[in-house]
Amino acid sequence: KAGVTQTPRYLIKTRGQQVTLSCSPISGHRSVSWYQQTPGQGLQFLFEYFSETQRNKGNFPGRFSGRQFSNSRSEMNVSTLELGDSALYLCASSWGRDRGKDEQFFGPGTRLTVL
Amino acid sequence: AQSVTQLDSHVSVSEGTPVLLRCNYSSSYSPSLFWYVQHPNKGLQLLLKYTSAATLVKGINGFEAEFKKSETSFHLTKPSAHMSDAAEYFCVVTRGNAGGTSYGKLTFGQGTILTVHP
Repeated sequence: KAGVTQTPRYLIKTRGQQVTLSCSPISGHRSVSWYQQTPGQGLQFLFEYFSETQRNKGNFPGRFSGRQFSNSRSEMNVSTLELGDSALYLCASSWGRDRGKDEQFFGPGTRLTVL
Repeated sequence: AQSVTQLDSHVSVSEGTPVLLRCNYSSSYSPSLFWYVQHPNKGLQLLLKYTSAATLVKGINGFEAEFKKSETSFHLTKPSAHMSDAAEYFCVVTRGNAGGTSYGKLTFGQGTILTVHP
């Protein structure tokens, strides 16, 4: 069974640009969550999508957005990039319901560098 | 609301000696708890999970953790450390019951870096 895949693996952008990251979940998983990992703030929850609907959202500005498609693949977009957006962005998938099946499986991440 | 505190930012052990990584949690609901490991420049791998069944949970690579509700702790242990265990470990809590606004949201501790000396 293929794991969670994320593309691209590495990105370099300049301030003010926008970026789109992609995540393909494990087959059959309907929930996709996104996290930002930085040395200073650690791992922080961005948002979660389940069946194409945003079900939960973290405390990030509106520049961070996402969506989920009917095949459960998800994208996140960051507009008007700032230097502080440089981070490892991790995507995780899970079944999305029922206790006992709520563990999340992570992709390798996309390393975003903003210059 | 839920939160996680990992009591040690760094732990150093010798190969072949026991490992103890400490985690305390706070949750308004009956939680699900997890330990994840992250090797350098890699994604997160699930080590083990607690979801209200047995309080002693066994995971991969010889790791185990015990859920102690009275102490609100979920410490990770391994009897004998191996060089390949060197990595960063994260204790994670989520709301255990299905549904609710926090579903799908993992709350991470700050991480414990484990160093294993030969």
